[in-house]
Amino acid sequence: KAGVTQTPRYLIKTRGQQVTLSCSPISGHRSVSWYQQTPGQGLQFLFEYFSETQRNKGNFPGRFSGRQFSNSRSEMNVSTLELGDSALYLCASSSQGYGTGELFFGEGSRLTVL
Amino acid sequence: AQKITQTQPGMFVQEKEAVTLDCTYDTSDQSYGLFWYKQPSSGEMIFLIYQGSYDEQNATEGRYSLNFQKARKSANLVISASQLGDSAMYFCAMREVRNFNKFYFGSGTKLNVKP
Repeated sequence: KAGVTQTPRYLIKTRGQQVTLSCSPISGHRSVSWYQQTPGQGLQFLFEYFSETQRNKGNFPGRFSGRQFSNSRSEMNVSTLELGDSALYLCASSSQGYGTGELFFGEGSRLTVL
Repeated sequence: AQKITQTQPGMFVQEKEAVTLDCTYDTSDQSYGLFWYKQPSSGEMIFLIYQGSYDEQNATEGRYSLNFQKARKSANLVISASQLGDSAMYFCAMREVRNFNKFYFGSGTKLNVKP
């Protein structure tokens, strides 16, 4: 079955702009998580959604937001972009309670802020 | 305190030899899961192996095995018979079941396999 799909794969923005990233989970997976990966900070947890509800949130400013739709697809938004927001944004889905519950990751959206 | 600690930023191993990547974790929960992921230069995170906190035997998946020492809170990954394609970043992660399956990741170990 199809894996986790993230769009766009690459994007370039300028400071002050906003960006929306999209994630389609594996069919049947209701949990979607977002991570920011940078060389200096590693993988930092942003938030996790399950059945359209945010269950967990990491330590990121309010400029980072997300949502999940009834079909489990998720979007994350970053407003008022800063240079430090340049990163690889990874989306992951999970079956929650079935099997080992591992995260299945997409290929990521690489954001460059100029 | 760091939930997951990987103390080896980078490692080299000769092709066909075995290598151990270290991981220690910190939790007061009784129920948790431990995972290892591989991230090649392409960026995608690939799930390798899982160990549950109640599993008494060490997990194995092909050339990967997890050396689980619960009392020491360590979950080292052992890769046997290294291959050139094993060159990648490796991340240890922990899932806290009580915390709605929140995952914590270590800082990673960059493994280079030499021919």
